[in-house]
Amino acid sequence: KQEVTQIPAALSVPEGENLVLNCSFTDSAIYNLQWFRQDPGKGLTSLLLIQSSQREQTSGRLNASLDKSSGRSTLYIAASQPGDSATYLCAVRMDSSYKLIFGSGTRLLVRP
Amino acid sequence: DGGITQSPKYLFRKEGQNVTLSCEQNLNHDAMYWYRQDPGQGLRLIYYSQIVNDFQKGDIAEGYSVSREKKESFPLTVTSAQKNPTAFYLCASRERGQRGNTIYFGEGSWLTVV
Repeated sequence: KQEVTQIPAALSVPEGENLVLNCSFTDSAIYNLQWFRQDPGKGLTSLLLIQSSQREQTSGRLNASLDKSSGRSTLYIAASQPGDSATYLCAVRMDSSYKLIFGSGTRLLVRP
Repeated sequence: DGGITQSPKYLFRKEGQNVTLSCEQNLNHDAMYWYRQDPGQGLRLIYYSQIVNDFQKGDIAEGYSVSREKKESFPLTVTSAQKNPTAFYLCASRERGQRGNTIYFGEGSWLTVV
């Protein structure tokens, strides 16, 4: 059974710092992996999607990497801003399934 | 604007009552999903539907029911059989048949048992 883990559960950094969020999964036979942002009491917004054949995806100050063999993905945020404060969740989609399996998220606070 | 609309945003349920959460999308997506989120946790799949008039149980379907009579609508009923329904409920949709397609979420509905 696939399990997705995100460490740390919470992170507080000063504005301007570069940071890395981690996501690990136990079954490497994934279809794709997706990173989401969730603001308090809101829905999820997709940030980056990495297909199983890809190593990384970039969007602005965000870069997500994927290492299937080790069961890991990282989300790199460059030059963090207070507006980046939110919960970040990763989710994996398994082959032949439309289901997403989510991690419990990392709650990020960027201090001005 | 295209998107997913969930209503109501806040709902209170008395013991023994059934309540229905609405989810409507105008994205012309075939697949729709209901997830439950408890505080500090990730999302867990309740039900999903890949096409009209068809749906499948997710990981925590007990105490819930759904229908998919129209492509744009996927309502979720929380029945009295669900013993711990207080949670944040999220509806989502995606296109079918494309590898790597993105999932879109609504703004969520808070359900509290009183």
